Amino acid sequence: QKEVEQNSGPLSVPEGAIASLNCTYSDRGSQSFFWYRQYSGKSPELIMFIYSNGDKEDGRFTAQLNKASQYVSLLIRDSQPSDSATYLCAVKAGGGNKLTFGTGTQLKVEL
Amino acid sequence: NAGVMQNPRHLVRRRGQEARLRCSPMKGHSHVYWYRQLPEEGLKFMVYLQKENIIDESGMPKERFSAEFPKEGPSILRIQQVVRGDSAAYFCASSPPGQGQPQHFGDGTRLSIL
Repeated sequence: QKEVEQNSGPLSVPEGAIASLNCTYSDRGSQSFFWYRQYSGKSPELIMFIYSNGDKEDGRFTAQLNKASQYVSLLIRDSQPSDSATYLCAVKAGGGNKLTFGTGTQLKVEL
Repeated sequence: NAGVMQNPRHLVRRRGQEARLRCSPMKGHSHVYWYRQLPEEGLKFMVYLQKENIIDESGMPKERFSAEFPKEGPSILRIQQVVRGDSAAYFCASSPPGQGQPQHFGDGTRLSIL
């Protein structure tokens, strides 16, 4: 079992729709959760981070965390073509600061 | 406010040569991390450093790879006697002090081995 799992996609959504990206993790001791966006050939860009169960909203982005189910998700409202990228889920286990990344979900927002 | 600065952006080496990758963290950040992204693969943690200290090197290959973050100057990731399998994008990230602080990435160094 991979430590951090994401569906590789591609996930295709029409412009203006809600994109839902999901991530599961195996280490119950994980404490911090991050979403990064990576355009092809570019570096990861921090989108959201969440530490507590529940929802956290920032503009068009909402991160959701359920530690009991070991599940974290990212919702993108009013999806735009510029949101087309690979979204990386990253998890920090308790103790230490290294991030463990999923392989990413490719999102395509279609006109 | 400058972000994480990495250089060079692209580096070409022949097999057996040495590669040196540099990273200057964001202002106010004292923690530096190196990650490697192989083609079509995810980001893999290599090493976590603070000034003059290696905190976690659990992701570093046992041979040929080393990292440092001296008191003065940038962090250096050094790869000796490079092989074709070392071809990858190497990203540096930095964060402020404290557990679980978000890490911000530099633009990366694309290393190509001929």
